[in-house]
Amino acid sequence: GNSVTQMEGPVTLSEEAFLTINCTYTATGYPSLFWYVQYPGEGLQLLLKATKADDKGSNKGFEATYRKETTSFHLEKGSVQVSDSAVYFCALSDDPLSGTYKYIFGTGTRLKVLA
Amino acid sequence: KAGVTQTPRYLIKTRGQQVTLSCSPISGHRSVSWYQQTPGQGLQFLFEYFSETQRNKGNFPGRFSGRQFSNSRSEMNVSTLELGDSALYLCASSLGRRGGPETQYFGPGTRLLVL
Repeated sequence: GNSVTQMEGPVTLSEEAFLTINCTYTATGYPSLFWYVQYPGEGLQLLLKATKADDKGSNKGFEATYRKETTSFHLEKGSVQVSDSAVYFCALSDDPLSGTYKYIFGTGTRLKVLA
Repeated sequence: KAGVTQTPRYLIKTRGQQVTLSCSPISGHRSVSWYQQTPGQGLQFLFEYFSETQRNKGNFPGRFSGRQFSNSRSEMNVSTLELGDSALYLCASSLGRRGGPETQYFGPGTRLLVL
């Protein structure tokens, strides 16, 4: 079945450091890929998405590129801020033609940014 | 446009009791999904409702049930509560279109504590 694997956390960085959080997936067909962020005590917020191969999703300085050849969707940011401290979830949505409409989430990666 | 709302935000129950959680989706969204989030198991899919019908189901016991009303609002019920049911329960809504990529939007969650 479909699955999402993301790097274990926590990830601790200094402010202005470069961030990469790795995410790889296993899926049949052409799923859509997402990054969600969860701040303490809150629900998940959509950060960015990509719906087809080579698409780049971007938002608030974060970027991720849908790489079908490596089945990856790594999250990057050039300069993190303390306010980016949160848990980041990689997710995929089944190929719409599959008819199952399921979302599958990774285990989440906690990011802590130090001033 | 109002976001996904969940009520109540916090609940304390005792073992053996039952609980009902409510979710109001974004206007125009017809699909509602429920997830359980715990520190040990991460984000686990419970079920998804579309047009008052359960369309997908995760691997949870029959004590967990749900329903959706004609206005797309959804309720989730857990009967005979166990200590392990303590979790953050998240609701997400989406358009529910067939044949197109779907983006889920999450509510703030209901935090359930079972004593």
